[in-house]
Amino acid sequence: GAGVSQTPSNKVTEKGKYVELRCDPISGHTALYWYRQSLGQGPEFLIYFQGTGAADDSGLPNDRFFAVRPEGSVSTLKIQRTERGDSAVYLCASSPSSGKADTEAFFGQGTRLTVV
Amino acid sequence: AQTVTQSQPEMSVQEAETVTLSCTYDTSESNYYLFWYKQPPSRQMILVIRQEAYKQQNATENRFSVNFQKAAKSFSLKISDSQLGDTAMYFCAFMTPNTGNQFYFGTGTSLTVIP
Repeated sequence: GAGVSQTPSNKVTEKGKYVELRCDPISGHTALYWYRQSLGQGPEFLIYFQGTGAADDSGLPNDRFFAVRPEGSVSTLKIQRTERGDSAVYLCASSPSSGKADTEAFFGQGTRLTVV
Repeated sequence: AQTVTQSQPEMSVQEAETVTLSCTYDTSESNYYLFWYKQPPSRQMILVIRQEAYKQQNATENRFSVNFQKAAKSFSLKISDSQLGDTAMYFCAFMTPNTGNQFYFGTGTSLTVIP
């Protein structure tokens, strides 16, 4: 597709379970970002990839959260031992470059995670 | 630390009228970019307009324009000739290459265009 694709669109899981959220960025985009948006809030940064490596993971809240991008395209956000406080919309964005004047981040529609 | 503040949680405007959404930010960086994103109920963030901090001229995109006051660290969005399709959440965002290119978002303003 032409845009950033995130799957699943919605995910309901039980407290304590493990979940994986997938992001398929725009083809050729080297930069990929994960954000978390809680109800009534703006998106909060989680992690940023440049190619295959995590260039900045300072936003990951704790060691239950982990993300990978093994081939520099698709990324997976992994959450272990989910808690009710993890319920939020998880947004992924990609960008063709980083730090340049014409940089624009293209967002997916997000995955709404609900932990019950 | 970089912070973005949107002090108007909700706003409304009559169709065809003009509305201004406020945003202030705080940073010690000199090289940065400012953005307004629109988020409709579909959840997808859509770029509305972008401003480079080194440019003094205010950015415009059709019915959307900004008032960028660098010294005051203010970046407001003006929407002219409001349309029903403008109804959405609007987020002000800040990005600097010096802090990993991450975007810092405000808490958003919910805009309703009234027919």
